[in-house]
Amino acid sequence: KQEVTQIPAALSVPEGENLVLNCSFTDSAIYNLQWFRQDPGKGLTSLLLIQSSQREQTSGRLNASLDKSSGRSTLYIAASQPGDSATYLCAVEVLEGDMRFGAGTRLTVKP
Amino acid sequence: DAGVTQSPTHLIKTRGQQVTLRCSPKSGHDTVSWYQQALGQGPQFIFQYYEEEERQRGNFPDRFSGHQFPNYSSELNVNALLLGDSALYLCASSLVWGGTEAFFGQGTRLTVV
Repeated sequence: KQEVTQIPAALSVPEGENLVLNCSFTDSAIYNLQWFRQDPGKGLTSLLLIQSSQREQTSGRLNASLDKSSGRSTLYIAASQPGDSATYLCAVEVLEGDMRFGAGTRLTVKP
Repeated sequence: DAGVTQSPTHLIKTRGQQVTLRCSPKSGHDTVSWYQQALGQGPQFIFQYYEEEERQRGNFPDRFSGHQFPNYSSELNVNALLLGDSALYLCASSLVWGGTEAFFGQGTRLTVV
């Protein structure tokens, strides 16, 4: 059974810091891994999608890596801003359309 | 381009009642998945619809059922509501099923009292 774990559960940093969020999964048989952002009480906003054959993806200040063999992904956020404060979720697609999520990392960026 | 839209945004129901939630996928997407997100947890997969058929199903009882219409929109029905069904229900759409980027709606907050 696929288990997805995100560490840390919560993180507080001052504005301007670079930071790394971690995601681990137990079964390497995945279609892809996707990172999402969720604001309180809202839906999920897709940040980056990494196909199983890829190693990393970049979008602006965000960079995500995938190491399928070790079951790990990291989301790197450069020069963090207060507007980055949200919960970040990673999800792996294990069957067509069946995505397994971690519980998320709640990020607070202080001005 | 309209993204994924869900209705209603909030709903309060009484235990034992039935509820229907609705989802319109992103333009051009033909696949709709439904997720349940309890407070403080990640979303859990309920089921996915493609070509008007349920293609995959998560570990949810038969009280949870769905439907997809020819225009790709979808409904989630929950019968005999329990207090534990209180959650944020999220709809996601994608182009074909498997391996493509999923886009989520804003969710429907269901409270069962």
